[in-house]
Amino acid sequence: NAGVMQNPRHLVRRRGQEARLRCSPMKGHSHVYWYRQLPEEGLKFMVYLQKENIIDESGMPKERFSAEFPKEGPSILRIQQVVRGDSAAYFCASSSTGQPYSNQPQHFGDGTRLSIL
Amino acid sequence: GIQVEQSPPDLILQEGANSTLRCNFSDSVNNLQWFHQNPWGQLINLFYIPSGTKQNGRLSATTVATERYSLLYISSSQTTDSGVYFCAVDTSYDKVIFGPGTSLSVIP
Repeated sequence: NAGVMQNPRHLVRRRGQEARLRCSPMKGHSHVYWYRQLPEEGLKFMVYLQKENIIDESGMPKERFSAEFPKEGPSILRIQQVVRGDSAAYFCASSSTGQPYSNQPQHFGDGTRLSIL
Repeated sequence: GIQVEQSPPDLILQEGANSTLRCNFSDSVNNLQWFHQNPWGQLINLFYIPSGTKQNGRLSATTVATERYSLLYISSSQTTDSGVYFCAVDTSYDKVIFGPGTSLSVIP
C-alpha cells in the first residue's frame, strides 16, 4: 500500500528555467491537492484537481504556474521561468472521495524541495 | 475564510517533560488533523480527529468542535519529537487550511 509518491525529492533550477513536480496519488485516490510551504511558514493550498479537471485553483499564482492531472499518469505541477521566490517545499495530497460531505482525510506525500539558484 | 491559530508558537522541553499544544479555529469544521513535520521536512499524520479524543502511544488529541479548539498532548517527550506540529482543518469542499505551527525542541 504505497502512499502518495512525489518526485523528485529535491529539485534545483536556475532562474528562468522550468520546474516540473510530479505526484502519484495513493492507489484508488482520484482527488489530488497541491500545497506550497515557504521557508518558516505553514502549508498553503494551491490547487485541487480530479482526473482531467481542475476543481479549484484559487491558491495558484496567476502567472507561470499550472497543474494537471491527466487520465493516465501522475499529477504535474509546472512552474515556468522560475524565480528565487519560488524556492519552497511543494506538497501533494490525495483523497479517495471528493468533498463536500467527505469524512476522508487527505494523505500527504513527502514533498519536493525546490531550490532556485 | 476560516482562521486557524496555534499556541505556543515555540516550545522548548527537557526530555521526559509533558506538553500541551493548542489549536483554535474560527468556524465549524468538517475535519481536523494534527501533523508532525520532522526536521527532514516530512509531514507525518498524527491524528484525524474532527471531534472527541484519540490516543496513540505517548500522544493523544482532543477536539471540542462546539468550542472550536483542539489539543495535542505529548507525554514523556523524546528528542525525536522535535519538529513543527501543525493543526489543519477543512470546512469547505476543496482545501485544507493549516495553522502556523508550533515549533518544538526537545533537549536531552
